[in-house]
Amino acid sequence: SQQGEEDPQALSIQEGENATMNCSYKTSINNLQWYRQNSGRGLVHLILIRSNEREKHSGRLRVTLDTSKKSSSLLITASRAADTASYFCATADTGTASKLTFGTGTRLQVTL
Amino acid sequence: GAVVSQHPSWVICKSGTSVKIECRSLDFQATTMFWYRQFPKQSLMLMATSNEGSKATYEQGVEKDKFLINHASLTLSTLTVTSAHPEDSSFYICSASGGIGSGNEQFFGPGTRLTVL
Repeated sequence: SQQGEEDPQALSIQEGENATMNCSYKTSINNLQWYRQNSGRGLVHLILIRSNEREKHSGRLRVTLDTSKKSSSLLITASRAADTASYFCATADTGTASKLTFGTGTRLQVTL
Repeated sequence: GAVVSQHPSWVICKSGTSVKIECRSLDFQATTMFWYRQFPKQSLMLMATSNEGSKATYEQGVEKDKFLINHASLTLSTLTVTSAHPEDSSFYICSASGGIGSGNEQFFGPGTRLTVL
């Protein structure tokens, strides 16, 4: 299956700054999800945004979705060292709502 | 949230041997389970989708005879890597979904790191 693209591939910021990650995909989707993965660990579900939604918030996370451009962004505000991880977007296609296609990921490093 | 476990968390085996990885949904019935593999610093690639009581659906390029999947109950799916070779070394992650009624959300296990010598 075709993966989505994420950029940047890697991002290094200082604690307190905001981090923005972008995700582009190719097909029509049912929803788009963002996950976090600490090194060598499993995935943690962060947020899900449906195709008819444009923006969603959860704590320090803000996700936008532009279906016309087939893109999404994840903003982490007031970053902390504990936010250091890889972040992946994943799309659920309209035809197979439960099957996820993961993006290439962004490795975020938050330094003190 | 729902909890999914994997066992073992890591395994080292000799080339040519078979390795079985278990994926369990601990507090819900998983009508569908998914198996992914992840190479270092890369994304997750879906290997196969399995529904309880039926044959797994494999993604293009994944050998079904090499990666045997059994989803015998609503709480357990197993992935057996047969005749493992060093190129099969990877991080294997499963996820479980309770189906449409649960919003199709997938809950991920902690992963199993396989190293084939």
